[in-house]
Amino acid sequence: EPEVTQTPSHQVTQMGQEVILRCVPISNHLYFYWYRQILGQKVEFLVSFYNNEISEKSEIFDDQFSVERPDGSNFTLKIRSTKLEDSAMYFCASSGVQETQYFGPGTRLLVL
Amino acid sequence: DQQVKQNSPSLSVQEGRISILNCDYTNSMFDYFLWYKKYPAEGPTFLISISSIKDKNEDGRFTVFLNKSAKHLSLHIVPSQPGDSAVYFCAALLQGANDMRFGAGTRLTVKP
Repeated sequence: EPEVTQTPSHQVTQMGQEVILRCVPISNHLYFYWYRQILGQKVEFLVSFYNNEISEKSEIFDDQFSVERPDGSNFTLKIRSTKLEDSAMYFCASSGVQETQYFGPGTRLLVL
Repeated sequence: DQQVKQNSPSLSVQEGRISILNCDYTNSMFDYFLWYKKYPAEGPTFLISISSIKDKNEDGRFTVFLNKSAKHLSLHIVPSQPGDSAVYFCAALLQGANDMRFGAGTRLTVKP
């Protein structure tokens, strides 16, 4: 069964450093998303991406964040200058023409 | 953002009995609802969904009920199995929008 994959599974970084989280969505999906879950809190929407551009973003997704689909398979989330409060699980998701979004296993980001 | 609420943080049921997980929403414009199951250190796994034009959707042991007038939906699992023990998230979507809104989750424990 096709699935969304994410790398790395864990990332530890120093405050102020840039991180890139990678995702390979399900191959025939058209919509791509990033969500995050801070420990003990709910899953929060960050951004959606369609047709090579951001279609929606939340107030969390500020100028420190960017997304890119550099080739036909990868979908990346870049955090330019990480802050302590960026520590969270980051989930990538993708969907086809229907609304159901399928999630990857997540990347646990720890900012020290 | 409290548009989707799961007021019970935890639920414990005996194996073989019915598990009923509840979810309330405030935005009457939501028109698609989903339930996800999440194990620790994994991404949310899609379980079942329902469109606002229906009031019930069934898939094996899982049934989702939607009461639009009460802005309430529920997930029934019957019979419950120990492997169902996980955190269950309710999520909602506006038609044409991609930013899925999650509830805080309910931790289900099914005791053998």
